[in-house]
Amino acid sequence: DAGVIQSPRHEVTEMGQEVTLRCKPISGHDYLFWYRQTMMRGLELLIYFNNNVPIDDSGMPEDRFSAKMPNASFSTLKIQPSEPRDSAVYFCASSTSAGALQETQYFGPGTRLLVL
Amino acid sequence: EDQVTQSPEALRLQEGESSSLNCSYTVSGLRGLFWYRQDPGKGPEFLFTLYSAGEEKEKERLKATLTKKESFLHITAPKPEDSATYLCAYSGGSNYKLTFGKGTLLTVNP
Repeated sequence: DAGVIQSPRHEVTEMGQEVTLRCKPISGHDYLFWYRQTMMRGLELLIYFNNNVPIDDSGMPEDRFSAKMPNASFSTLKIQPSEPRDSAVYFCASSTSAGALQETQYFGPGTRLLVL
Repeated sequence: EDQVTQSPEALRLQEGESSSLNCSYTVSGLRGLFWYRQDPGKGPEFLFTLYSAGEEKEKERLKATLTKKESFLHITAPKPEDSATYLCAYSGGSNYKLTFGKGTLLTVNP
């Protein structure tokens, strides 16, 4: 099992540019989560999906952030326009609602975003 | 308000010096208490899930325990490779998400 895959691993961009982060969840998992991690605020949930449908986006900071899940094996998190305060590590995680390990989230390696 | 607090924020141990990390939580209807390990530059790695008060789980030098208000991660005779940030999180209530604490940064010196 390849685990959760994220790309790119590192992204450096200039303020005002569009940034797209990508995630491939573990095959068979029906939940997908996007988090942001900073030293000040720790790990924050931005949005999560169930069966490709957004369930809770209350953690999305503002309208500059959007997320989609067009199918069970792919999700994107987009920031447009980006700002320096968006600099953080963004994690994708997935979980299953079935079996002994339900609700256990498995994390990807993260995308380290720096907005200049 | 549902919340989770981890203490201490940082802990420095000598190799072989056992200790415990604390995770205090308040939530209505706890479904699970999760422990993760995070190494620098990597994503959190799942360690344990505890579901009910009195439950214990072990993995190598780590043992996690759960009461109705807190969870402990006991580290017995730690080694330098146990150095990492340890995160706890809970699931509960009406939604299907994990609420994470800020973590404890553990450093084990040889």
